[in-house]
Amino acid sequence: QKEVEQDPGPLSVPEGAIVSLNCTYSNSAFQYFMWYRQYSRKGPELLMYTYSSGNKEDGRFTAQVDKSSKYISLFIRDSQPSDSATYLCAMKSGAGSYQLTFGKGTKLSVIP
Amino acid sequence: GAVVSQHPSRVICKSGTSVKIECRSLDFQATTMFWYRQFPKQSLMLMATSNEGSKATYEQGVEKDKFLINHASLTLSTLTVTSAHPEDSSFYICSAQTGTGTEAFFGQGTRLTVV
Repeated sequence: QKEVEQDPGPLSVPEGAIVSLNCTYSNSAFQYFMWYRQYSRKGPELLMYTYSSGNKEDGRFTAQVDKSSKYISLFIRDSQPSDSATYLCAMKSGAGSYQLTFGKGTKLSVIP
Repeated sequence: GAVVSQHPSRVICKSGTSVKIECRSLDFQATTMFWYRQFPKQSLMLMATSNEGSKATYEQGVEKDKFLINHASLTLSTLTVTSAHPEDSSFYICSAQTGTGTEAFFGQGTRLTVV
């Protein structure tokens, strides 16, 4: 079993739809959870950064972490064509640790 | 968020030559920088971790003599691909952090093509 599992998609949705992206993980030591957006041939851009369980909202984006289920989600409301990209989840154990473990990424297309 | 600048964004080189990629943190001091490699439709694969003023730590399977990393200052790390071969063609990305428990910020990536 890989440490982080993420459905690679591709996922296509119409403009305005709510998008749900998910990752599961096996390492209970992970405490910090991140979502990155990566456009084609560009470096990842940090979207959301959360610590431990709970929800965090930033504009149209909401990140959820359920440590008991080892499951994290990113919701995108009112999706736009400009949201079309690959979304990578990443996580790390925290104190004394710099190293991130990434999911494979989910490719999202928002159709106008 | 913090800005990490990576240069060049794209490079084509001949087989057997060396290529240097720079990664700079523009508005913060990065105690630690990371170098990743990304294959098409794959996630980021960590190659090495570099701390300012000390030797880089390479991941298993990554040749340290082929991928030379220098982290001479708190704002600059370089990756040199020595004696490049076509199989080294890939997308290389750096990231920088200020300390543990903080976000990682990524450069724009470098598309290396070895012909």
